[in-house]
Amino acid sequence: GENVEQHPSTLSVQEGDSAVIKCTYSDSASNYFPWYKQELGKRPQLIIDIRSNVGEKKDQRIAVTLNKTAKHFSLHITETQPEDSAVYFCAATDSNTGGFKTIFGAGTRLFVKA
Amino acid sequence: NAGVMQNPRHLVRRRGQEARLRCSPMKGHSHVYWYRQLPEEGLKFMVYLQKENIIDESGMPKERFSAEFPKEGPSILRIQQVVRGDSAAYFCASSTLSDVSYNEQFFGPGTRLTVL
Repeated sequence: GENVEQHPSTLSVQEGDSAVIKCTYSDSASNYFPWYKQELGKRPQLIIDIRSNVGEKKDQRIAVTLNKTAKHFSLHITETQPEDSAVYFCAATDSNTGGFKTIFGAGTRLFVKA
Repeated sequence: NAGVMQNPRHLVRRRGQEARLRCSPMKGHSHVYWYRQLPEEGLKFMVYLQKENIIDESGMPKERFSAEFPKEGPSILRIQQVVRGDSAAYFCASSTLSDVSYNEQFFGPGTRLTVL
């Protein structure tokens, strides 16, 4: 079945450093890749997404890259701040068949030390 | 425009009882998704519904679990004869169909089910 692998499971960085989270997906038909941030006890919230016809997308301190050939996509956070501390989930969706089933990675717990 | 609403926020049930979780999607959204999140774990897809239709329930356990999204009213996730292993946070999300290729899902606050 479909699968999304996410690494690392835990990431600790110093404030101001960069953080990189990597994901791989198994379903080659996946064409939409959102990233969600979940703070403790709260709902997941979309922070950035990328579509299969784009290789890179940036929004202020956050960027996402996609390598469709290798089925890899990554989240990059620059100039990290303590408020970036949260769990980050990558996901992959295949909407080509008319459905919108989304498979999530297991999550990365990011700690930003002040 | 209110976001995705879920109720109750917390639900306590004894083993063998039934749990009913409700989800009201954002206004104008016709798609609802249910996910289960165990403590310290990721979001596991359970089921995807449109109004009056189950589109994909491949993540739902075959027994005791059911979901519906009637023409009127919220989507319901129903768990019969709950067991301790059902204790988890259940999130619903909704999306629109304005762009059939891509769908941003908006999540509700979740229902935290505890089975005693």
